[in-house]
Amino acid sequence: DAKTTQPNSMESNEEEPVHLPCNHSTISGTDYIHWYRQLPSQGPEYVIHGLTSNVNNRMASLAIAEDRKSSTLILHRATLRDAAVYYCILEGTGFQKLVFGTGTRLLVSP
Amino acid sequence: GAVVSQHPSWVICKSGTSVKIECRSLDFQATTMFWYRQFPKQSLMLMATSNEGSKATYEQGVEKDKFLINHASLTLSTLTVTSAHPEDSSFYICSADSGTSGRAHEQFFGPGTRLTVL
Repeated sequence: DAKTTQPNSMESNEEEPVHLPCNHSTISGTDYIHWYRQLPSQGPEYVIHGLTSNVNNRMASLAIAEDRKSSTLILHRATLRDAAVYYCILEGTGFQKLVFGTGTRLLVSP
Repeated sequence: GAVVSQHPSWVICKSGTSVKIECRSLDFQATTMFWYRQFPKQSLMLMATSNEGSKATYEQGVEKDKFLINHASLTLSTLTVTSAHPEDSSFYICSADSGTSGRAHEQFFGPGTRLTVL
C-alpha cells in the first residue's frame, strides 16, 4: 500500500484557515486520496476525497499537487469542533481498503 | 447520511470469556464491512474485511480463530473476541460500504466499542 506522511500535530486559532499537508510520493495513477478525521473516542468521519482535480465540499477543500505527490486539506475557518486527528489515506491495493497512517492531531485554540 | 451503529458501546469482561460486538448499517445495505482495532494514542489498524455470505479476509498477523467475524446479512456483521485477555483491551471500530462503485469514499464508520478485559 502506498504510504502517506503527515506532521504529527498542528495548531490553529479559531476562525482562522488551516492547511493540513500530506505527502504521498509513491501514489499510483489510480489511487484516490481520502481524508478522514477522528474526534476523541469516536469512529472516523469522512471529510473529502479526490483523484486529480481540487475538490470542495461543505466541510473542506482538497488541493492536489499537479504531480499528485502531495495534497493539502484546507479548513477555511477552524472551529473548536474541528479539533481532531486528520488522516490522509490512499486507497489501498485491495479495492475499498483504507489503511490509516498516524495522522495529524489538530489543536484549535479559542 | 448513512448511519452505522455498534453495540455495545463499551464492555468490561473477565479474562477468558468471549465478547460479541455488533455492527449494523441502519439505513443502507452493506455488502462489505470492515473491522478495525485502535489502541490508545495509536492509529486504526485494519483487522479484517467482511463480505456478506462469505468468509472474512483477515489482515496479516490477525488471528482468525480468536477474532471470529460473521456477516450474515446485508445490514449486520459481528466480531466475537474469543477467550479475551487483557491485551485484547482496545477500541474496536467497524465500517460499512454504502455505495455501488466499490470505492473507499463511500465507507461509513461506526462509533466504536471500547473493550476492557480484566
